[in-house]
Amino acid sequence: EAGVAQSPRYKIIEKRQSVAFWCNPISGHATLYWYQQILGQGPKLLIQFQNNGVVDDSQLPKDRFSAERLKGVDSTLKIQPAKLEDSAVYLCASSLDSGRGSYNEQFFGPGTRLTVL
Amino acid sequence: GENVEQHPSTLSVQEGDSAVIKCTYSDSASNYFPWYKQELGKGPQLIIDIRSNVGEKKDQRIAVTLNKTAKHFSLHITETQPEDSAVYFCAAPPYGQNFVFGPGTRLSVLP
Repeated sequence: EAGVAQSPRYKIIEKRQSVAFWCNPISGHATLYWYQQILGQGPKLLIQFQNNGVVDDSQLPKDRFSAERLKGVDSTLKIQPAKLEDSAVYLCASSLDSGRGSYNEQFFGPGTRLTVL
Repeated sequence: GENVEQHPSTLSVQEGDSAVIKCTYSDSASNYFPWYKQELGKGPQLIIDIRSNVGEKKDQRIAVTLNKTAKHFSLHITETQPEDSAVYFCAAPPYGQNFVFGPGTRLSVLP
C-alpha cells in the first residue's frame, strides 16, 4: 500500500515569510499527526486530528502555526510568519483510529526539511 | 507532564554483538511502550511495541522488556547488523495523552 506522502521535501525561506506543508495520509487512516523534529531531538507532537476534528493542539504555537484537515483526508500545516527557531523537519504521520487512550502504529512520511534564514 | 529519557545517547557495537537501549518514563499511567527506528532522511518506523499487561515481547532479533514498577523498558537487539545503524526513539504516552518521544539513541554497528 502507498505510504504517507508529504510535500515539499525541502523548503528554504527567510524569516517572517510564510510556508505551507502538505500531507496525504494512508487511505483509511482516521488519525493524522503533525510533528516537529529539531536536529538531534525526538519528534515533538504539534497537533493530532481525528478525521477532520482536532484531538490535541496543546503544543501548537497558535500565534504563528495553523493546521487544517478538510474532509478528513489531506492536511496542511502553515507557519506565518516564520522564525529562525522554526528550522526543523516537519513530519506527518497517520494511524488507524487512535482516539485518546488508544494507540495504534503510526506510519510516518519522509518529512519536510525547513530552513529559515 | 510526561518526561521520557533514553540511555545511552550514543552506542557503538561490533557487528554480531548485542545492543541494549533503556528508556525511563515518569508517568505511572503510561500503558503503551513503542520503539521507533529512524534512518537518515526518513521518518521514524515502528519496530516493536509492548503494552502494560505484558512483561516481554520478542520479534526475531528484537525484543522489548518492561518493568512497570521501576518505570523503564528496554530495547534489545541481538546479532546486530550494519543495517541496524540508525537513531532509535522510545515513547511512553500516559493514558489519554499524546505521544512524548524520548531524545533518541544513535546506534552505530561497526563492521
